[in-house]
Amino acid sequence: EAGVAQSPRYKIIEKRQSVAFWCNPISGHATLYWYQQILGQGPKLLIQFQNNGVVDDSQLPKDRFSAERLKGVDSTLKIQPAKLEDSAVYLCASSLTSGVSSYEQYFGPGTRLTVT
Amino acid sequence: QQQVKQSPQSLIVQKGGISIINCAYENTAFDYFPWYQQFPGKGPALLIAIRPDVSEKKEGRFTISFNKSAKQFSLHIMDSQPGDSATYFCAASRETSGSRLTFGEGTQLTVNP
Repeated sequence: EAGVAQSPRYKIIEKRQSVAFWCNPISGHATLYWYQQILGQGPKLLIQFQNNGVVDDSQLPKDRFSAERLKGVDSTLKIQPAKLEDSAVYLCASSLTSGVSSYEQYFGPGTRLTVT
Repeated sequence: QQQVKQSPQSLIVQKGGISIINCAYENTAFDYFPWYQQFPGKGPALLIAIRPDVSEKKEGRFTISFNKSAKQFSLHIMDSQPGDSATYFCAASRETSGSRLTFGEGTQLTVNP
């Protein structure tokens, strides 16, 4: 079974530029999450989708971050304009929607963003 | 209320020893407590998880101990191996939050040969 795919793996941009990350979840996983992991810290949820609807975006800095999940499969996360403090690893995860396994989240390799 | 506090920040053990990582939570509504293992350049991988209706869960060399009254849970790695060297994160979630995970700060484990 293929895991969660993310691209690009690395991105370096200057502050005030824009950037987009892509995620393809595990087939059949209706729930998709974007996390931000700052170096030396645990991941922090940015946004959660169930199918193509937003379940939780309470910690998403909406003035600069946006995310969409068209057709309930792939998702993109965008930052515009980027700030220095956005330097982090952006992780995508997915899980089943129901059943005892719905709590199990599977993470992709992440995209390491460096803002200079 | 939503925090999960993890200790120690780093841990060094000898091969064959026992590694113990502790976490404490505040929100009594949490009902799922997983541990994730993360290697450099990789995403976190689910290692083992427990629900508050049991006090212990064991899978191979990995054991979670759960103390509901103290709001604490811990990961024990028996017979630690150099390949276990990684960063370990505890986390917690509750069903009504849509399974959103709240992570601890992480423990960097080094197992010396």
